[in-house]
Amino acid sequence: QSVLTQPPSASGTPGQRVTISCSGSSSNIRSNTVNWYQQLPGSAPKLLIYSNNQRPSGVPDRFSGSKSGTSASLAIIGLQSEDEADYYCAAWDDSLIGYVFGTGTKVTVL
Amino acid sequence: QVQLQQSGPGLVKPSQTLSLTCAISGDSVSTNSAAWNWIRQSPSRGLEWLGRTYYTSKWYNDYAVSVKSRITINADTSKNQFSLQLNSVTPEDTAVYYCARALWRRLGSPIDYWGQGTQVTVSS
Repeated sequence: QSVLTQPPSASGTPGQRVTISCSGSSSNIRSNTVNWYQQLPGSAPKLLIYSNNQRPSGVPDRFSGSKSGTSASLAIIGLQSEDEADYYCAAWDDSLIGYVFGTGTKVTVL
Repeated sequence: QVQLQQSGPGLVKPSQTLSLTCAISGDSVSTNSAAWNWIRQSPSRGLEWLGRTYYTSKWYNDYAVSVKSRITINADTSKNQFSLQLNSVTPEDTAVYYCARALWRRLGSPIDYWGQGTQVTVSS
């Protein structure tokens, strides 16, 4: 049901770079800022990136975000075992008049 | 450090009202800078924002279109908490429910603090 589409899975070996895409539309990503969340198993989501590319205090700099047009991306540079989690993008949608989340991407560290 | 502590029943019968409360510590429900949200997560619907309340001279609410006819979010300043009521529930409302703080009042603000989550099952 989500209007933000993410690949269901992504994987890499420790130290590799992993990129997660988030595809939206003119009513959400193009018009508004994108936030990213990390959810570890059995836990609430945690804010990872806000306002497209800003890291909250305490988030390692191996996480970075970007946005272009109707798409956004999250990059993990130097993948670590503790990065194994589900990742979600989110943005306000002007048409739906609500905050929408992506479909989620499960990252596996091989 | 902001902490959000959720409470409420984990089992609700179909057609009844789901009620959850979120107690805030480390911030004020009537702060002029943040907004207080309810979000749910289920395998079928993913993460779904339900609505929010915030104070700026008076109380305001925004609700998701999908639940707008059934939802009420209220703040209780005397207890520094806010609550969710969802009427006429069906099994489709079965989910983990989270209360959460949005850093700013503006639309699309990042959610920076989350409650622990409450599994709510709708079943007779």
